[in-house]
Amino acid sequence: GAGVSQTPSNKVTEKGKYVELRCDPISGHTALYWYRQSLGQGPEFLIYFQGTGAADDSGLPNDRFFAVRPEGSVSTLKIQRTERGDSAVYLCASSLEAGGTGELFFGEGSRLTVL
Amino acid sequence: AQSVSQHNHHVILSEAASLELGCNYSYGGTVNLFWYVQYPGQHLQLLLKYFSGDPLVKGIKGFEAEFIKSKFSFNLRKPSVQWSDTAEYFCAVKVSGGYNKLIFGAGTRLAVHP
Repeated sequence: GAGVSQTPSNKVTEKGKYVELRCDPISGHTALYWYRQSLGQGPEFLIYFQGTGAADDSGLPNDRFFAVRPEGSVSTLKIQRTERGDSAVYLCASSLEAGGTGELFFGEGSRLTVL
Repeated sequence: AQSVSQHNHHVILSEAASLELGCNYSYGGTVNLFWYVQYPGQHLQLLLKYFSGDPLVKGIKGFEAEFIKSKFSFNLRKPSVQWSDTAEYFCAVKVSGGYNKLIFGAGTRLAVHP
C-alpha cells in the first residue's frame, strides 16, 4: 500500500482481555517502530524492529506487552491482561532503513479503549 | 535520558498572525531535531528537521525553525498563519547517529480562526 496501515482503527475491550494490534508498513521499509500516545501527551516510544528482530524494546512498559515481526514486514503488538491504563492510541511507523534520517512514516493509529 | 518540553499546549490565532511555538530539549550530547504535524483526522507527518549546518531550517508550507544550541531550543515559526495550519505540532529529538528513536514533546494544539 501507499502508506502505513494499522488495524483495527478502534478497539474496545474489557479489563483482563487479550488484544492484538496489527501494522503493515510501507513496502520495502526495513525499520518499524511502535509508539503509544496517551491523551494529552506526545507519542512515547515502545519498540523498534530492524528486519525481524526487536533491536530495542526498552519502551515496553511491562511484560504484558509483546511485539513480533516474523517475516520482517507486518508487525503485531500484543497486550495481555489489559488494564484501563493501557487505553491509548497505538501508533506504528516505518522508515526505509535503520539509519536515522528522522523521517518516520506513521499510520493513523489504533485507538484502544479498555473498559 | 533525553526529554522535550513544549511550553504552549494550546494556541489560538487569527489568520495572518505570526506564529512561534517553543521547544526545549534536554540532552548533553549531539542531537537531531524535528517538528512533526498532525492535521485533524490525519497521521503524523514530518514538517522539518535539523541535522547539521545552517541552524535556520526551512520546511514545508512556509514553516521554519531555528536551532539555538546554547539555549537547547528549536522553536517553530511561521510569519503568517492560515486556517489550514490548524493542527497539533510536536517537537522531537533523537540522539545523533542513532536510529529513529524519537523522543516527543507533549504537543501544541494550534487553532487558526478565519
